[in-house]
Amino acid sequence: NAGVTQTPKFQVLKTGQSMTLQCAQDMNHEYMSWYRQDPGMGLRLIHYSVGAGITDQGEVPNGYNVSRSTTEDFPLRLLSAAPSQTSVYFCASSYSADREAFFGQGTRLTVV
Amino acid sequence: GEDVEQSLFLSVREGDSSVINCTYTDSSSTYLYWYKQEPGAGLQLLTYIFSNMDMKQDQRLTVLLNKKDKHLSLRIADTQTGDSAIYFCAERSYNTDKLIFGTGTRLQVFP
Repeated sequence: NAGVTQTPKFQVLKTGQSMTLQCAQDMNHEYMSWYRQDPGMGLRLIHYSVGAGITDQGEVPNGYNVSRSTTEDFPLRLLSAAPSQTSVYFCASSYSADREAFFGQGTRLTVV
Repeated sequence: GEDVEQSLFLSVREGDSSVINCTYTDSSSTYLYWYKQEPGAGLQLLTYIFSNMDMKQDQRLTVLLNKKDKHLSLRIADTQTGDSAIYFCAERSYNTDKLIFGTGTRLQVFP
């Protein structure tokens, strides 16, 4: 049972490049979300999804897109990377909105 | 909107009790959580409390909730060096499906 798998673990991008952070879960969870973690700011919610085909914005959605075509996958897209998007990104999933959230190991992204 | 605040650092001696505090603004919060993050890892759920409870105990962990003041605390009894980590409180709002985290408290345990 792999849980929540994020790829890649590390990534360096140049300003203006695009990329997709992958997140997959094998627990048949309906609820998935993306957070970014920055020093002194905790975890901030970027986007979340309550089920396949449904996504919504969190606290800091600008510069990020998501889609949820399957229950298992919830990719996060950066269309034009900026240095302000340098952060550690975490994907999480849970059976429902109020159940325990399971986190991936994180993706450390640096934009230069 | 929702806002969750924590102090950034706490340092305690091994064997003492640790108390980590959290304040939140959303009065419609239904569930409040404590998560632990060890270095280089994701977060793991430690414990949670329903908003209609004022205390929950789970082995060395005691959660206190003052709903009137919107204040949540986590007490760790007999703190060990293995408890050194970042502790996040989080709230789930009744009105939304968002899980909102606090800024995190870095707990350092020294011998």
